[in-house]
Formats: sequence, structure tokens, C-alpha cells
Amino acid sequence: GESVGLHLPTLSVQEGDNSIINCAYSNSASDYFIWYKQESGKGPQFIIDIRSNMDKRQGQRVTVLLNKTVKHLSLQIAATQPGDSAVYFCAVTNSGGSNYKLTFGKGTLLTVNP
Amino acid sequence: DAGVIQSPRHEVTEMGQEVTLRCKPISGHNSLFWYRQTMMRGLELLIYFNNNVPIDDSGMPEDRFSAKMPNASFSTLKIQPSEPRDSAVYFCASRNFYYGYTFGSGTRLTVV
Repeated sequence: GESVGLHLPTLSVQEGDNSIINCAYSNSASDYFIWYKQESGKGPQFIIDIRSNMDKRQGQRVTVLLNKTVKHLSLQIAATQPGDSAVYFCAVTNSGGSNYKLTFGKGTLLTVNP
Repeated sequence: DAGVIQSPRHEVTEMGQEVTLRCKPISGHNSLFWYRQTMMRGLELLIYFNNNVPIDDSGMPEDRFSAKMPNASFSTLKIQPSEPRDSAVYFCASRNFYYGYTFGSGTRLTVV
């Protein structure tokens, strides 16, 4: 089965610094990857996604990098702000057939110090 | 678009009581998922529906848990009888064909 892990359970950064959150997955058949942000008392909120035919995708202040060779993806947040403080989850799925269920990592708590 | 709507937001019940959680997915989304989140186990998929049909319920922990989706705009997750170890935050999410997963705000269940 699929397992998804995170290298660091907590990350503390200074406001304005760049943040990097890592995620490893085990199933080489995984072809769709999503990063979610979860603030206290709220549901996971979509940040950015990437498909397996890409190595990099950029959004507003966020970049996701995918390394299929080592089954690793990362989320980079530029100029981290206090509002970025939250738990970040990676989620993976194999979109083949009818199986679209996401498998989530355990999460990384990002704390941004002013 | 109001997003995925879950009710109630909080539920406190006594052990042995029946609990029903409700979810209204985003209109036009054809898949619906129920997740449970705890500190120990993180986010776990309980069951998911595609076009109102249960596709995979392998994550449902016990026969005490059941889920229904009578139409495209409504789903319920029922626990009967509830136990303290069922205490968690339960999330509903919906998705359309283009992989747009959207989560609701969750129901925090406390069983005492």
C-alpha cells in the first residue's frame, strides 16, 4: 500500500525567510501530488498540486518540486509570513482507474516567528 | 460557491449514543470522501463515493460506522453506538473529475 511520510514534524522560521517542507512517498505508481495547508480549527486547504509529468510547478510564493527517482516532493514558501503558520500536508494518489483516494502524510507544523 | 458544508461543527455525546454527521458536497462534484483526523493517526480515509455509489469502505473501522449518500447533494456518516475512541475531527471532501479536492470545515466529535 501507499505510505507517505514527512522528514520534519516541526519547522520554525523567521518572518521573511524561505521555508522548505519535505515529503517522501513509497508508491512509484503515484502520479498526482497535492500540498494542503491546515490552520487550527479548519479543514485542509489546497495550496498547489503537481502531476508526475512535471518536476516543478510554481504558484504565488509557493513552489512544489517533484523528484520521482527518489520519490520525494517538497514545498517551498518564499518570504514566509506569520499567516503561513499552519500544518502542511502532502497528499498523493494514483489517478489510474477509478481510484482517486488521497493518502496523506502526517503533517509538518510550520511556525513563523515575527 | 459555499464550499463543502458539514454539520454539526461540534458534537458532544455520551458513549453508546448514536451520532450522525452530515455533509453537503460542492454542486457538480461527483466524488465524496469521509476522512477522520486524530493526533495519533493523522488523516485517514474512511469511505469514498463516486456518483453516489460507495466505492471503497475499507477504511471504516468497524460495523458501528456506516455511511450513505442518497443523492448527489447529501451524505451522512453514522456511528452507532459511539465510543470514546471515536473522538476525532471528521472531514468531508468532494472532488470533480479534474482532481479538485475540497474539504469542509469538519465536525469535532467528542464521546464521553
